[in-house]
Amino acid sequence: SAVISQKPSRDICQRGTSLTIQCQVDSQVTMMFWYRQQPGQSLTLIATANQGSEATYESGFVIDKFPISRPNLTFSTLTVSNMSPEDSSIYLCSVQEVSGTQYFGPGTRLLVL
Amino acid sequence: GNSVTQMEGPVTLSEEAFLTINCTYTATGYPSLFWYVQYPGEGLQLLLKATKADDKGSNKGFEATYRKETTSFHLEKGSVQVSDSAVYFCALSNTGNQFYFGTGTSLTVIP
Repeated sequence: SAVISQKPSRDICQRGTSLTIQCQVDSQVTMMFWYRQQPGQSLTLIATANQGSEATYESGFVIDKFPISRPNLTFSTLTVSNMSPEDSSIYLCSVQEVSGTQYFGPGTRLLVL
Repeated sequence: GNSVTQMEGPVTLSEEAFLTINCTYTATGYPSLFWYVQYPGEGLQLLLKATKADDKGSNKGFEATYRKETTSFHLEKGSVQVSDSAVYFCALSNTGNQFYFGTGTSLTVIP
């Protein structure tokens, strides 16, 4: 299975600022996703990161708030813009292999004050 | 539509007790089913999966059988350890690469 790393692993940010989270995979993958996990909750899909084109966002998530880049098949970034305390969550990237199984990175734990 | 309903937690068990975490699903067609585990402070790890009816997924002493007749994929382990303390997520994948996750069940195993 793919090995996925994320940076930073955690951060504490002030409201109104932005944070960019990086996701690196050790092999080329077509399907890459970004999820949010609010405290004590399940996972919510933010968007599918598409290589070479704009990300596909789920209902309730917009590009201005969560811009995503996917410059190649092993790397993606998610930016959380103009943060508020409600953005405090774990942000997870995942990849889907040909088998249909998704594998997850270790997550980025964000606290917004 | 597609959805996963998971047993409410939290669950607290003594070491060596038997574990069952219930998971039922609603789906069109023939989904694949998964159990993921999230240890404290970590991301989700794939625990086991099953891709068709009557398949049994197993890993680290955990098992789950894909039951199409009851639309269930219950997670079981015969003897839990303290190190099994984590949050367990049931999930399904259907056409279109979309994953649907349950709400998660927190398990605490006490010595």
